[in-house]
Amino acid sequence: NAGVTQTPKFRVLKTGQSMTLLCAQDMNHEYMYWYRQDPGMGLRLIHYSVGEGTTAKGEVPDGYNVSRLKKQNFLLGLESAAPSQTSVYFCASSLQGALYEQYFGPGTRLTVT
Amino acid sequence: DAKTTQPNSMESNEEEPVHLPCNHSTISGTDYIHWYRQLPSQGPEYVIHGLTSNVNNRMASLAIAEDRKSSTLILHRATLRDAAVYYCILSSNTGKLIFGQGTTLQVKP
Repeated sequence: NAGVTQTPKFRVLKTGQSMTLLCAQDMNHEYMYWYRQDPGMGLRLIHYSVGEGTTAKGEVPDGYNVSRLKKQNFLLGLESAAPSQTSVYFCASSLQGALYEQYFGPGTRLTVT
Repeated sequence: DAKTTQPNSMESNEEEPVHLPCNHSTISGTDYIHWYRQLPSQGPEYVIHGLTSNVNNRMASLAIAEDRKSSTLILHRATLRDAAVYYCILSSNTGKLIFGQGTTLQVKP
């Protein structure tokens, strides 16, 4: 099993450009999550999904959109990138809710200039 | 979402036990206590979780106070590879993890 994979690993964007980050898991997990981590900080939840076709807002959802069209994929979109969105983005998945651990991907390092 | 309080940093000597404390005085009855750790330049890694009873696994032990307002992560024999940021997190039924600053553990040889 590959676990949780993230594409791309690195990306540099100019202000105003758009992009989509892809998260894929092969563990048949119901729940998926997107976090961001700024230097020296803990992770902050952006959006999450409790099943295919569902999404919900986390702590810091503004400026991001998500979609969960297939159970194994969770996409994070930035429609108009801003320098404040420079961060490392982590995706995670879990079998279900609080009872189960989350498995994290390796992260995507995004720089917006 | 309930919050946790952890010391910013701790030090340990290699091969000695480490006790990492966490306070969560506003925990609700259905919140699970999760511990994750993050090594430099990596994503967080699950360590252990529990609800009311103490828990053991191959990585660590989790001791939960009777009133559930605090818990302690116990690494029985610290190794250099255990140097990381350790996060104590309360997880509600949606599984949302609200990360704090965590405790940076330094392990000395």
